[in-house]
Amino acid sequence: GAGVSQSPSNKVTEKGKDVELRCDPISGHTALYWYRQSLGQGLEFLIYFQGNSAPDKSGLPSDRFSAERTGGSVSTLTIQRTQQEDSAVYLCASRREDLSYEQYFGPGTRLTVT
Amino acid sequence: AQSVTQLDSHVSVSEGTPVLLRCNYSSSYSPSLFWYVQHPNKGLQLLLKYTSAATLVKGINGFEAEFKKSETSFHLTKPSAHMSDAAEYFCVVSSAGGTSYGKLTFGQGTILTVHP
Repeated sequence: GAGVSQSPSNKVTEKGKDVELRCDPISGHTALYWYRQSLGQGLEFLIYFQGNSAPDKSGLPSDRFSAERTGGSVSTLTIQRTQQEDSAVYLCASRREDLSYEQYFGPGTRLTVT
Repeated sequence: AQSVTQLDSHVSVSEGTPVLLRCNYSSSYSPSLFWYVQHPNKGLQLLLKYTSAATLVKGINGFEAEFKKSETSFHLTKPSAHMSDAAEYFCVVSSAGGTSYGKLTFGQGTILTVHP
């Protein structure tokens, strides 16, 4: 079956511009997570959705970062006024509603801020 | 709070020799633990998982890991390395409940190099 998909796969933007990153989870997966992978910080949790609600936003690095999820499916991560330190690979993962905790990851979006 | 420490940032082995990637965890409850692998320019793939069943867990591609509560360890092993095993490996612990249900905390990663 189809896995987690993310778009775009690569994004180059100028400092100060806004960007939107999209995640399509596996059909039927109620939980969705965003992570960021950067050279200096490794893999970090950003935000967790259960359905359309985000009970844990503790990993969002600043108020320039926001995310939403609609219809219990697609999620969008928005970064406003991008900075060079935002350059990273942004990963999305989804999980079934059971106790396996296993998350399936998408291929990521590589964001480069120039 | 939970955390994982991968004890080696780089491991180098010869093809056909055993692989050992070390991981220690810290968790205030019985943890769920995972090993993920990331090949160059590829996504994260689950190798194996421990979720309070058998302490010796077998995964894909001949890898296995043993959960040792007394040592708070979850080391990854493989009897015989293959060139295709060259990749970065992440030890991961999962949050069990509350508002962070399922949230993954990653170790810093171990880069495995396999020499012919």
